[in-house]
Amino acid sequence: GNSVTQMEGPVTLSEEAFLTINCTYTATGYPSLFWYVQYPGEGLQLLLKATKADDKGSNKGFEATYRKETTSFHLEKGSVQVSDSAVYFCALSGRSDYKLSFGAGTTVTVRA
Amino acid sequence: DAGVIQSPRHEVTEMGQEVTLRCKPISGHDYLFWYRQTMMRGLELLIYFNNNVPIDDSGMPEDRFSAKMPNASFSTLKIQPSEPRDSAVYFCASGFDGYTFGSGTRLTVV
Repeated sequence: GNSVTQMEGPVTLSEEAFLTINCTYTATGYPSLFWYVQYPGEGLQLLLKATKADDKGSNKGFEATYRKETTSFHLEKGSVQVSDSAVYFCALSGRSDYKLSFGAGTTVTVRA
Repeated sequence: DAGVIQSPRHEVTEMGQEVTLRCKPISGHDYLFWYRQTMMRGLELLIYFNNNVPIDDSGMPEDRFSAKMPNASFSTLKIQPSEPRDSAVYFCASGFDGYTFGSGTRLTVV
């Protein structure tokens, strides 16, 4: 079945530091890959996505590249801000049913 | 576009009572999903609908849980009777290939 493994947190960074959150997946076929962000007390928001190998998703300074050869979709941001403090979820969906399989989430705290 | 709307935002109920959670998806979205989020288990897919028809309810934990989608603009998740272990945040989401989530209902069963 489909599954996602992402690096465990929590991750604590200083403002302007570089952020990487690792995500690897197991899936049959060619899934779509996503990063969601959840701010305290809110629902999940789609941050970025990629639908085929070598696609790069980007949004709000965050980037992730769909790497089929390493089955990975690592999230990166070059210079984080305090407002980036949140829980980040890696997810995938199959092409036939659109069910999302989520990773466990990584809590990121950015200190001023 | 008001997004996915869930109600209530918070619900506190006593064990044994019936609880009904409500969701209004984004107009035009054919898929609707119900998720549950807890610290212990993370995000769990409970059930999803396509064009108002339940497609996969294998994530519904017990017969105490039921979900309906009587039309394209409304869905309910019902728990009867509720138990303390049902305490969680319940999310509704709509769309496909990357959904839009509602703000969730925080359920506390005491």
